[in-house]
Amino acid sequence: EAGVAQSPRYKIIEKRQSVAFWCNPISGHATLYWYQQILGQGPKLLIQFQNNGVVDDSQLPKDRFSAERLKGVDSTLKIQPAKLEDSAVYLCASSLSTGTKGYTFGSGTRLTVV
Amino acid sequence: QQPVQSPQAVILREGEDAVINCSSSKALYSVHWYRQKHGEAPVFLMILLKGGEQKGHEKISASFNEKKQQSSLYLTASQLSYSGTYFCGTVRRISGAGSYQLTFGKGTKLSVIP
Repeated sequence: EAGVAQSPRYKIIEKRQSVAFWCNPISGHATLYWYQQILGQGPKLLIQFQNNGVVDDSQLPKDRFSAERLKGVDSTLKIQPAKLEDSAVYLCASSLSTGTKGYTFGSGTRLTVV
Repeated sequence: QQPVQSPQAVILREGEDAVINCSSSKALYSVHWYRQKHGEAPVFLMILLKGGEQKGHEKISASFNEKKQQSSLYLTASQLSYSGTYFCGTVRRISGAGSYQLTFGKGTKLSVIP
């Protein structure tokens, strides 16, 4: 089966600019996640969707980050305006919603804010 | 609610064994284990559910003690390919949403040398 697709692979922007990341999950996976991974740390959940509804966005900095999952398939994560501390790898993952299966991660987008 | 992993890093010679521990202060629904190689996405190894354990790979196994809210990953007869950072992820059910949330630990860096 096809994996989780993410784009772009790399992005360099200046602080205060905006950026958007795209994710297409594995077909049939109802649950989609966006994680932020800062160098040397474990992935941190930003937002979790089930179908096209938000299940948990408690750790999403809502003053600058937004995400949507239209039609319950692909998803977009946006940062506006970006800060230096947003430099990280943004990972998208998907899973069946049963809670008994592992997550499949995309290759991630490495964001550098200068 | 982030699980605690130990050790933070370990160096092994090929053929040696290692144990990585993961503990949580919260009641768990399940525990996941992932391996991440440098510059790559985390890859799912296995999941351990309440009331049982699931072996995902030959020579890599895990246990789950529900009462102690702990899990351990066992790597036997290590190979060079085992090098990477191992993350445990603890899963809790999100009440009212019919979904689950995975929180990662900080990771254990494993280096296998010839």
